[in-house]
Amino acid sequence: QSALTQPASVSGSPGQSITLSCTGTSSDIGTYNYVSWYQHHPGKAPKLMIYDVSNRPSGISYRFSGSKSGNTASLTISGLQAEDEADYYCSSFTTSAFVVFGGGTKLTVL
Amino acid sequence: EVQLVESGGGLVQPGGSLRLSCAASGFTFRNYWMSWVRQAPRKGPELVALINSDGGPTYYLDSVRGRFTISRDNAQSSLFLEMNSLGAEDTAVYYCAKDLTWQQFDFWGRGTLVTVSS
Repeated sequence: QSALTQPASVSGSPGQSITLSCTGTSSDIGTYNYVSWYQHHPGKAPKLMIYDVSNRPSGISYRFSGSKSGNTASLTISGLQAEDEADYYCSSFTTSAFVVFGGGTKLTVL
Repeated sequence: EVQLVESGGGLVQPGGSLRLSCAASGFTFRNYWMSWVRQAPRKGPELVALINSDGGPTYYLDSVRGRFTISRDNAQSSLFLEMNSLGAEDTAVYYCAKDLTWQQFDFWGRGTLVTVSS
């Protein structure tokens, strides 16, 4: 199962909204709504930000939202803040019954 | 507060073995599937192995099947990963992760680094 495709880097200014994309295939994102997004500050534990395409776990800011269209999932961060600077990874359940992750997007807050 | 603390990583020679441990607290460990996820340098995460809540069915990444064994001790709230015949391709940070649903992980540890090198 190939990894999901994410842009290597994205940047934005404080207060802006940005959208991170995650492209898969009909064997993963296109078939399942078990798509997640993780935030990872290097050296810390990865943090679940979105699950089941668009659900936020308890304690996650409303500024983070998820969606899906066809084989592509998206994570939108509104009102960008300095603390949002991190690596973001998407994942999806697959027809091989094993989750696949994306290669990650480094978000820089200018 | 949920905590997952990994240990057991280190430098090992090609062909060697290591046993990773994960101490869990803050939730009813025996009720949840658990997994090991690794991340090699400059790559995305990769699910290595998962185990159901009572230690029954286990599942492995194709490249580690037959070399790695995942297990758990529900009485001690601990997860383990026995790794044999290690190769350079196994070099990564290994994370213990709690399954929320359908291999979506709501809590992770900070990871333990495994380096396979001569």
